[in-house]
Order: sequence, then C-alpha cells, then structure tokens
Amino acid sequence: EPEVTQTPSHQVTQMGQEVILRCVPISNHLYFYWYRQILGQKVEFLVSFYNNEISEKSEIFDDQFSVERPDGSNFTLKIRSTKLEDSAMYFCASRDPGSTGELFFGEGSRLTVL
Amino acid sequence: RKEVEQDPGPFNVPEGATVAFNCTYSNSASQSFFWYRQDCRKEPKLLMSVYSSGNEDGRFTAQLNRASQYISLLIRDSKLSDSATYLCVVNRPPPGYSTLTFGKGTMLLVSP
Repeated sequence: EPEVTQTPSHQVTQMGQEVILRCVPISNHLYFYWYRQILGQKVEFLVSFYNNEISEKSEIFDDQFSVERPDGSNFTLKIRSTKLEDSAMYFCASRDPGSTGELFFGEGSRLTVL
Repeated sequence: RKEVEQDPGPFNVPEGATVAFNCTYSNSASQSFFWYRQDCRKEPKLLMSVYSSGNEDGRFTAQLNRASQYISLLIRDSKLSDSATYLCVVNRPPPGYSTLTFGKGTMLLVSP
C-alpha cells in the first residue's frame, strides 16, 4: 500500500538552529500539507501546497517557516531559527485530487528544541 | 465558538459497550466531514467519512446534522483495539476547502 514517508523520525536541535523536515508524499497525489501537533494538543494546520506553490497557510506559518518541493518526489518544511515552542510532532500529508478530501499522513517527525 | 469542538473525554468503557462521540463545527459552509483515529504518538488515520444521510461501516455509525452543525460517531460492541483518540475533522469552506480542521479529539479506553 502506498504511504507517505517522513524523515527524520526524531530530531533534537538547539534553539536558533535551522531544521529541515523531509517528506515523500504518495506518488500520484498532487496536494501536500504540513500539520503539527504539540504534545497533548490538537493537530494544527500549517500549510498546503499545490502546483508548486503555497495554496493556503495558517497564522502559525510565519516567516520562520518555508516549504519547498525541490524535485519530483520530496516535500520539505524548513524552520529557519527554531524556538522552544516549535517542539512538536510535524506531520506531512498528501491527497489524491480525485478524493473526497481524505488526507494520508506520514508517521511524523518529532522535533525537540532545547 | 471553536472551529471543531468535541467531548473532552476520556471515555472509559468495558468491552462490548456502545459508546457515542459528539462533535460540533462552527462554519456552516463546511462540506466534508470525517472521523479520524489517532493511536498514542502516531499519525491520524481515516476511520470513515461522514455523509449527509448517515453511514455505517461495520460496528461504526456516523451521523451528520447540517442544521445543528453536529456530527456523531457511534461504536457498537467495543473492542480493546478500539482504544484510541477519535478526531472529528471538517474541511474549511472555500477557498481553503482542501484544508482539514481537526478537533482536539476524544480519548476512548476500552477495558477487559
């Protein structure tokens, strides 16, 4: 069964450092997303990406965040200068354009900022 | 009013019990509704979509009331493996219609 894969599974970084989280969406999907979940809280939308550009972003997705699809398979989330409050599980998701809206999530990348 | 609001839980039930989860959403223009399941420290996974006429998938029944902006999930004959957090999920109205908004979830603990 096709799946969304994410790397790394866990990253520990110092405050102020740059972090890149990587995702390989399901190959025939065209919509890509990043969500995050702070421990004990709800899954929150960060950004959606379609046709090589951001289609929507939340208030959380400020200038410290960026996304890129550098080649035909990878979809990355970059945090330029991490803060303590960026510690969370980051989920990548993708969607089939023909679907009714179901998102397929990767297993997540746990980011710990010290 | 929160975009998607759910019973806070947790719900502790014995095996074989029937349990119901409730959810309300704030934006009447939302058009797609889902229940996702999330196991501890794992990714959310689709349990079932919710259709206007209500729908059933084995032991799981979902209902939608657009007038009340209310969604429900009923689980019959609970199994130990049903223990998880159940997330009510609603799409945003246009132009962000492909973006899903998640409720905080209701935890279910099924005991022997």
